[in-house]
Amino acid sequence: GDSVTQMEGPVTLSEEAFLTINCTYTATGYPSLFWYVQYPGEGLQLLLKATKADDKGSNKGFEATYRKETTSFHLEKGSVQVSDSAVYFCALSDQGGATNKLIFGTGTLLAVQP
Amino acid sequence: DGGITQSPKYLFRKEGQNVTLSCEQNLNHDAMYWYRQDPGQGLRLIYYSQIVNDFQKGDIAEGYSVSREKKESFPLTVTSAQKNPTAFYLCASSKGGTEDNEQFFGPGTRLTVL
Repeated sequence: GDSVTQMEGPVTLSEEAFLTINCTYTATGYPSLFWYVQYPGEGLQLLLKATKADDKGSNKGFEATYRKETTSFHLEKGSVQVSDSAVYFCALSDQGGATNKLIFGTGTLLAVQP
Repeated sequence: DGGITQSPKYLFRKEGQNVTLSCEQNLNHDAMYWYRQDPGQGLRLIYYSQIVNDFQKGDIAEGYSVSREKKESFPLTVTSAQKNPTAFYLCASSKGGTEDNEQFFGPGTRLTVL
C-alpha cells in the first residue's frame, strides 16, 4: 500500500541555519503531497502542498518540490528561526479509492536553538 | 471564524469507563476524520466519514465508535474495550471528494486513563 517515510529526528539547528527534512513516498497513482506542522500541545496546520509532479509548494519561507522521478517531497528553509521549532509531518493523499484519506509519516521534531 | 473545535482539551478516565470526545466544524465540510497520535508513531486513522449518516473504519477502529448524525458533528466514543486509550486524539475535516484532499485539524483532546 501507499506509504510515507520521513527522516528521523530530532533535528537540532542553530538559528539562521539551513533546514532540510527528507520525505520519500510510495504510491501507485499520482497523489497530492503535503507538509503539516504541529506546535507543542496543538493540532496540525497545513504548511504547504503540491498536487502534481514538479509543483513547488511554499509558505512562510518553507519550500518543497514534488519530484516524481525520485518519489520525494523534501522540506527546505533557508534560515530557520527559534519559532520554527515544532514537529513536521509529510503526508500523501490516498489514491486507492474514492476517498481523500491522508497517509502520514511518523513526523520529524525540529529544535532550533538561539 | 470558520474552524474545528474539540472538547474537552484534557480528559481523564477511569478504567472500564466509556468516554465521548466532541468534534464540531463550521467549515461546511462533508468529510470528517478521527486520528490517534502516540509519541513517535505519527497519526493513525481511527474512523472517517465522507457524508452524513455514513462512516468507515480506519486502521485502528477496535475499541472505538463514532456517529455522524449531523454534518457539523463527528463525536468519538472510546469504549472500555480499548485496552490502551491514553493518547492525543485529533479530529479533522475536508471538503470531500477527490479534488481537494487538504484536511483541517482541531486542537486535539488529550485522554489519560487513571
